[in-house]
Amino acid sequence: GQQVMQIPQYQHVQEGEDFTTYCNSSTTLSNIQWYKQRPGGHPVFLIQLVKSGEVKKQKRLTFQFGEAKKNSSLHITATQTTDVGTYFCADRGSTLGRLYFGRGTQLTVWP
Amino acid sequence: EAGVAQSPRYKIIEKRQSVAFWCNPISGHATLYWYQQILGQGPKLLIQFQNNGVVDDSQLPKDRFSAERLKGVDSTLKIQPAKLEDSAVYLCASSFRGPVYEQYFGPGTRLTVT
Repeated sequence: GQQVMQIPQYQHVQEGEDFTTYCNSSTTLSNIQWYKQRPGGHPVFLIQLVKSGEVKKQKRLTFQFGEAKKNSSLHITATQTTDVGTYFCADRGSTLGRLYFGRGTQLTVWP
Repeated sequence: EAGVAQSPRYKIIEKRQSVAFWCNPISGHATLYWYQQILGQGPKLLIQFQNNGVVDDSQLPKDRFSAERLKGVDSTLKIQPAKLEDSAVYLCASSFRGPVYEQYFGPGTRLTVT
């Protein structure tokens, strides 16, 4: 099956600092979906990236899709305690369209 | 709109016992997914239904896991017999027509096998 590698696995930041998580693949990604899972909660859809080099913004969150469609990133500017959770990227594989989730980056924000 | 409903929320069973989980997707969503999420990992797809037909069950351990979506609406996932390594959260998700669309997850069922 396809694998998407996410780094880092854990990130601890102080409130107000920036945060970035990276999603990498050795093969071309079909499209990337990003989800957030709060502690004890379920994954919640954030965004989908489809086009090479695509950049999308949601308030303090910036999502990028690499030019070669082999990587993606999520950047949060000036983190807040409400940003705490695990951020997953998921590749929509070309076969049957199933989603392949990375292991996620667990973000902790200190006040 | 109502979200994806799942029950039970928690279940503790002994190994070799059987267990069943229920999911009711968002109204109008044709595609339903069952995921297994082991602690510290991302969700892993077990089975995907399009209406009442199976689209992908390649990762479903068919010797012990089964799932059905008889009327194309709600679905059940069964494990029989359970093993210790089945301890995980079982998430149900639905999307409007397929993976191109965002998936809406239910709260999950936390299964502990002792």
